[in-house]
Amino acid sequence: KQEVTQIPAALSVPEGENLVLNCSFTDSAIYNLQWFRQDPGKGLTSLLLIQSSQREQTSGRLNASLDKSSGRSTLYIAASQPGDSATYLCAREGYKLSFGAGTTVTVRA
Amino acid sequence: KAGVTQTPRYLIKTRGQQVTLSCSPISGHRSVSWYQQTPGQGLQFLFEYFSETQRNKGNFPGRFSGRQFSNSRSEMNVSTLELGDSALYLCASSPWTSATSYNEQFFGPGTRLTVL
Repeated sequence: KQEVTQIPAALSVPEGENLVLNCSFTDSAIYNLQWFRQDPGKGLTSLLLIQSSQREQTSGRLNASLDKSSGRSTLYIAASQPGDSATYLCAREGYKLSFGAGTTVTVRA
Repeated sequence: KAGVTQTPRYLIKTRGQQVTLSCSPISGHRSVSWYQQTPGQGLQFLFEYFSETQRNKGNFPGRFSGRQFSNSRSEMNVSTLELGDSALYLCASSPWTSATSYNEQFFGPGTRLTVL
C-alpha cells in the first residue's frame, strides 16, 4: 500500500516557468513532512521541513505548503532555472521517513 | 560543519559475498538511519540506530544487519549477497532531540553497490 504519492512522475518546463509539485498521503494523521532534492546518482539534499503545526515553509525561491485535512503538500519553485533539474521527493516523518516515488523535473533552457 | 559521509562510494561484489558499508553522521547527531534505493522499489527504510541501539527496523531479511558505535558512526552489513541487493544505500543522520517536535534528517552521498 503506497503511503505517499507524488504526481506527476515527470515534468518538463521552459526556463522561467513556475513549478508546482504535489505530494499526498493516504491517512490524515499528524506528521511532519520533508522535501528533498536528488541529482542523478547522488544522495538526498534536504530542501524544506514543514512541521505538522505549520502550514507552509519558505526558502528563497522554494515554498512548501501542508494541508493536513486533505493529506496534501505542495512544493512551489518560482522562476525555474536549468539548475533546478532534478528529482524531488517528499517524505512523511514517522519512526522512519516514508517516501514518495518522486517527481523528475527537467527545466529547458 | 561537515556533512554525512559514507564509505566506500562504490562497490562491486559477486553473489554470495558479504559487504560492509560505513556511515559517519554529522557531528552531534545521535540517530543514524539506513535506506535502500532501487529503481523498482524506490527508497525503503532498513533500520535506525540511536545511542548504539537499533531502535527501528524495516522489512528486510536478516541478511541485512547494522550496528552503531559509541561515536555514533554506523556500519551496515549484507551477507550472502544476491543480485537484487544491487542498489544505492543511503545513510541519514539526525540530532533527534526531545527539545524539538521534528526530526530533520540529513543524507550522505550514498554507496553504490553492484552485485554481479
